[in-house]
Amino acid sequence: SQQGEEDPQALSIQEGENATMNCSYKTSINNLQWYRQNSGRGLVHLILIRSNEREKHSGRLRVTLDTSKKSSSLLITASRAADTASYFCATDVNTGTASKLTFGTGTRLQVTL
Amino acid sequence: NAGVTQTPKFRVLKTGQSMTLLCAQDMNHEYMYWYRQDPGMGLRLIHYSVGEGTTAKGEVPDGYNVSRLKKQNFLLGLESAAPSQTSVYFCASSYYRDRSYYNSPLHFGNGTRLTVT
Repeated sequence: SQQGEEDPQALSIQEGENATMNCSYKTSINNLQWYRQNSGRGLVHLILIRSNEREKHSGRLRVTLDTSKKSSSLLITASRAADTASYFCATDVNTGTASKLTFGTGTRLQVTL
Repeated sequence: NAGVTQTPKFRVLKTGQSMTLLCAQDMNHEYMYWYRQDPGMGLRLIHYSVGEGTTAKGEVPDGYNVSRLKKQNFLLGLESAAPSQTSVYFCASSYYRDRSYYNSPLHFGNGTRLTVT
């Protein structure tokens, strides 16, 4: 089963509204990363939050991490039509000899005018 | 600066045929990865490489082989394609882990859409 699970699977909002996506994971992590994927394209890195951080901001993005609940949220404020994409969380888990990124199944965000 | 380039973009194979997917990066990254993306499954790691001449298995390596003869290139081979290998394949690269052994962000190519009939 996936290490990271996003919720909701799909989200539809109007331009100007805020969008919140959640990610839950199962095992202890080194860091958690969020990526965006536009239709037919590769993933693009948005933000990385380390396990000892609780909140991070980048432009209109705000990420929180709660290691006690094994969950993270991505907030996009004042959304735009160009934010329409799928969003994935990826957890970095230390396996002893290496660390691996494991991706969730994603949240599809639709922003309408 | 092209980043990560994948070729081809699309390919249709018949069951049993073989092919090689090419990935090239111009960022001098040490780490390179091959993922497959299927509906409802997210991205799953096939193989990865932590440096020239080294490769390792990921989550779903069966039916695939890889080679990293040059630092900038990472090849994914399918020796005998099966319909279950119909997927979108993504190559990615990243820097070394930092001193805390955390993974740095991945840079992705735009994918190869493979259909096996």
